[in-house]
Amino acid sequence: DTEVTQTPKHLVMGMTNKKSLKCEQHMGHRAMYWYKQKAKKPPELMFVYSYEKLSINESVPSRFSPECPNSSLLNLHLHALQPEDSALYLCASSPEPAPMETQYFGPGTRLLVL
Amino acid sequence: EDQVTQSPEALRLQEGESSSLNCSYTVSGLRGLFWYRQDPGKGPEFLFTLYSAGEEKEKERLKATLTKKESFLHITAPKPEDSATYLCAVQALEAAGNKLTFGGGTRVLVKP
Repeated sequence: DTEVTQTPKHLVMGMTNKKSLKCEQHMGHRAMYWYKQKAKKPPELMFVYSYEKLSINESVPSRFSPECPNSSLLNLHLHALQPEDSALYLCASSPEPAPMETQYFGPGTRLLVL
Repeated sequence: EDQVTQSPEALRLQEGESSSLNCSYTVSGLRGLFWYRQDPGKGPEFLFTLYSAGEEKEKERLKATLTKKESFLHITAPKPEDSATYLCAVQALEAAGNKLTFGGGTRVLVKP
C-alpha cells in the first residue's frame, strides 16, 4: 500500500486565520515532505523531515510552520497567509531520506486565501 | 543551477496516435531521473525511475528512456485515460538529501 492521505481536501481561510494541514502515512516511511504547487506549475519543495527532524527548509516564510509529531504524521500550520499563498499543498513520503528514494505523494489540499 | 525543461508544454493526440514527450536536463552530475503522472487537482503518481544512460522502463502503454542529456516518455497507442500532466524530475549528485528538481510538465490530452 503506497498511500499518503491529506486532510482537508479543500480549505478557505482569511488572512488573519490560523489553520493546519494534516498528512498521514502508514507505510513506515522515515522521510516526509511538504510541497507547494501553483496552477500549471511543477511542485516546489518547502520542507523535508528525516526521522521526524526538520532537515531541509527551502527558505519558506515563517507564516508556514511544519511539525512532525511522530513518524506517521506531518502537519503544516498556517498563520497570517497572503492571497498569493493560495495553491495546492502536497505531502509526500519516502522509505528513507536517502538519495533516489521514490517519493509517494498524497492527493493534496487545495488552499484558497481570501 | 540544475535545470529541467519539458517539451512540448501541451500535446493533443487522437486515441491510438503514438507520440513522445521530452525531458532535457542540465545538472553537474545526474544521480537519477523520475517520471510522474498528475491528474488535475491530484498529487503526482510515480511511474518510473531511471538511473543511467541507455536504461529503459516500460509500464503498459508507457516507455521511458534515458540518455546523457535527456529522457523520453513514449506513449504507444494512447487511450483517453492516459490524459494527464506528465512530470519529470531529476536528482543531482550534489542535491541535499532526496531533493528533486521538477520540469514544468507536459499536459497530454487524448481524444477518443
